[in-house]
Amino acid sequence: DIVMTQSPDSLAVSLGERATINCKSNESVLYSSNNKNYLAWYQQKSGHPPKLVISWASTRVSGVPDRFSGSGSGTDFTLTISSLQAEDVAVYYCQQYYRPPYTFGQGTKLEIK
Amino acid sequence: EVQLVESGGGLVQPGGSLRLSCAASGFTFSSYWMHWVRQAPGERLVWVARISTDGSRTTYADSVKGRFTISRDNAKNTLYLQLNSLRAEDTAVYYCTRPRISAIPDGFDSWGQGTMVTVSS
Repeated sequence: DIVMTQSPDSLAVSLGERATINCKSNESVLYSSNNKNYLAWYQQKSGHPPKLVISWASTRVSGVPDRFSGSGSGTDFTLTISSLQAEDVAVYYCQQYYRPPYTFGQGTKLEIK
Repeated sequence: EVQLVESGGGLVQPGGSLRLSCAASGFTFSSYWMHWVRQAPGERLVWVARISTDGSRTTYADSVKGRFTISRDNAKNTLYLQLNSLRAEDTAVYYCTRPRISAIPDGFDSWGQGTMVTVSS
């Protein structure tokens, strides 16, 4: 199985400041034939199902604010929130969909400082 | 509007069985691979199983292989998960979900609200 590891486990950031969450896979999720990274980011608020924020490592899903961005390739990925808003408080998960089982990271809890 | 509505969860004794259902609407159900993902209280999301558009191909997480069965009825726009030989560690909220794009693997952009399965004596 592909193991996904996020860092940090929790993060406290001031409103308006940048939040950065990292995700590392133990093998590449870059499919060489199409040069796409099979990596997604989700936001999960307490008591709710996850919400897809980023797919293909860097493609922001329709309706997601442009303060959210994804980067990285191969085994190392980053989710950045450029200016933290109160509504961004949530747990964020990365997931690889390169090969089943489609494993998730352990989650990063993002809070307001 | 895409809707996924799970049902069938509940309290069951170890070794027991349950059948979860997921009613889909708002999209062409038969065009999408469908998946089940679960989440134990306070824990990470865990992918459980997937099924092809016509139901002929299935894949399972090792932790449920041989005990759970995913199936679908495209005429009824419904996804199922049969849970047998349940263990305490199967206690979780079970979500049905589908990828953003029908033809290829992608992130899961539509999720149900989940149905809780509790395995306890």
